[in-house]
Amino acid sequence: DAGVTQSPTHLIKTRGQQVTLRCSPKSGHDTVSWYQQALGQGPQFIFQYYEEEERQRGNFPDRFSGHQFPNYSSELNVNALLLGDSALYLCASSLAGTGNLEQYFGPGTRLTVT
Amino acid sequence: GESVGLHLPTLSVQEGDNSIINCAYSNSASDYFIWYKQESGKGPQFIIDIRSNMDKRQGQRVTVLLNKTVKHLSLQIAATQPGDSAVYFCAEVPAGSYQLTFGKGTKLSVIP
Repeated sequence: DAGVTQSPTHLIKTRGQQVTLRCSPKSGHDTVSWYQQALGQGPQFIFQYYEEEERQRGNFPDRFSGHQFPNYSSELNVNALLLGDSALYLCASSLAGTGNLEQYFGPGTRLTVT
Repeated sequence: GESVGLHLPTLSVQEGDNSIINCAYSNSASDYFIWYKQESGKGPQFIIDIRSNMDKRQGQRVTVLLNKTVKHLSLQIAATQPGDSAVYFCAEVPAGSYQLTFGKGTKLSVIP
């Protein structure tokens, strides 16, 4: 049973560039959430996608956008990168039929902005 | 892997002892709570959850206690093992929301 997978593992970008991160949910899951985790902090909710639409959004600017595909995989896009965007980006998947409460996390993508 | 333990409260316990990790949550409207374990270089791993209509739930070697009066959550780990060394986060979910709100985390170090 495949768990949540994310790519790439690590990424280095320059300030002002754009980045796309990818996530495949756990087998059988239909909902994907994205979180940002700064060093030494707990993850912070960016948004959640269900049925290819953004269902809920946290306190992040419009530079952060996403997409969900028909196979339930998802992308996180960040435009006009800032140094402060350097963090571990985590994807979590869940099942809408169980209330999306039990969220399973992937290993994350470490983004460094220079 | 990267360290998620910088600037976090640390709990050091002897192998075989019981561990208690505490968490204060913020939203009185939260009705679902989860404990996650995060090892260095990995994503958070689900440990145990509890709903607001319960005050205690037990799993394998772990117990979660919920005190809604003081908005406090605790995780008890029995017979702590070196493999339990990690950062532990509590997370809350308000009713009607899909968003996990995480606490600051506690780093557990097990002394062999």
